[in-house]
Formats: sequence, C-alpha cells, structure tokens
Amino acid sequence: GAGVSQSPSNKVTEKGKDVELRCDPISGHTALYWYRQSLGQGLEFLIYFQGNSAPDKSGLPSDRFSAERTGGSVSTLTIQRTQQEDSAVYLCASSFPSSGNTIYFGEGSWLTVV
Amino acid sequence: GQQLNQSPQSMFIQEGEDVSMNCTSSSIFNTWLWYKQDPGEGPVLLIALYKAGELTSNGRLTAQFGITRKDSFLNISASIPSDVGIYFCAGQRGTGNQFYFGTGTSLTVIP
Repeated sequence: GAGVSQSPSNKVTEKGKDVELRCDPISGHTALYWYRQSLGQGLEFLIYFQGNSAPDKSGLPSDRFSAERTGGSVSTLTIQRTQQEDSAVYLCASSFPSSGNTIYFGEGSWLTVV
Repeated sequence: GQQLNQSPQSMFIQEGEDVSMNCTSSSIFNTWLWYKQDPGEGPVLLIALYKAGELTSNGRLTAQFGITRKDSFLNISASIPSDVGIYFCAGQRGTGNQFYFGTGTSLTVIP
C-alpha cells in the first residue's frame, strides 16, 4: 500500500481479554517497528523486525506482549490478559534499509482497556 | 531499546517566536530524522539528515546534523499556532540498523 496501515484504528476491550493489533507495512519495507505511546507522552519502543533476522524484543514490557511478522510483511502485536495500564496508542512503523532511508509511521491503534 | 536525549521536554512560546530543540546521543549516528506528531495522529517526517554538518530547511524549519555525529538540532522560525504538537528526533547508526527515538518535545504556541 501507499502507507503503513494499522487496524483496528480504535479498540475497546474488557480487562483480561486478549487483543490483536495488525500492521501492514509499506510494500518492500523490510524493517518494522512497534511502539507504544501513552497520552501526551513519548514513544516507547516495543519490538523491531529486520528481514529474516531475529527480532529485537527488548522493549516488550511483559510476557503478555508478543509480536509476529509473517512472511516478512504483515505484523501482529498480541496483548494477552489485558490490563488497564495497557491503554495507549500502539504505533507501527516501517523502513527500507538503504542509504537515505527514513521510517514511516501508521496512524496508530488506540487501545482502551475498561 | 536505546532512547536519545531530547530537550527541552516541553515549550510554551508566543506566536511569532523562534523555537530551538536538540537531540543528543552517546553513540555516533549516520542518519538523523525529525518528526512532528499532531494530536491523534502518527508522527510525520519533517526533515531527514544524512551527512555530518548538513543543514537542511523545510519552510520555516531548519535542522542540522551535528559535526560530532552525536547530536542534531531543529529550529522553527516565526512560530504559528499550527506548529503545536510533539516533535521527535530519531537516529540510526548505519544502514540496516534500528532507528532510536528521542523522548519528544511538546510545543505549545500561544496566539
């Protein structure tokens, strides 16, 4: 697609339920990032995928969080047994590693845990 | 993941004033990017810098790639209300490496 696409754009879920957030990166982009952002705050790094390399999972806040990237394209971020503190915007970004590369963001998935 | 030191954390300025913010790192970077995030939206790229010492402008915005490769600056001249938002820097050590983001500068412009 023309840009990074994320779905759902908004999700309200009950505490304890699992949620899946989807990211469809720009076609051909081999690098994919997930970030979490609380209201008015900075970007909290979650996970980074680059091609076929092992992902950098160092930012995942707990074992309730996991992410997959199938076929080197679409990625799914899964949050199990959601807690209220998980409420935030989850941003996905992608880039193509070449000289002069930049990173492009999606519009984010707004998660509210009630 | 590593985060870059970005300052100031927040700014409240009068419309028409100039703004300056910066980003520093303990590591050398080969690429510096500056983003703006409007409320409710994802960050949007403002300026990309790929060479030490490079000075690049985008309208009223000017960014510089520090000669030490460990810092970058973003200046906004003659601020207007629509400049309000959060500004992020991002750095990359080399092609194919991960981008690291600054902690953000929240800008409020008072009409």
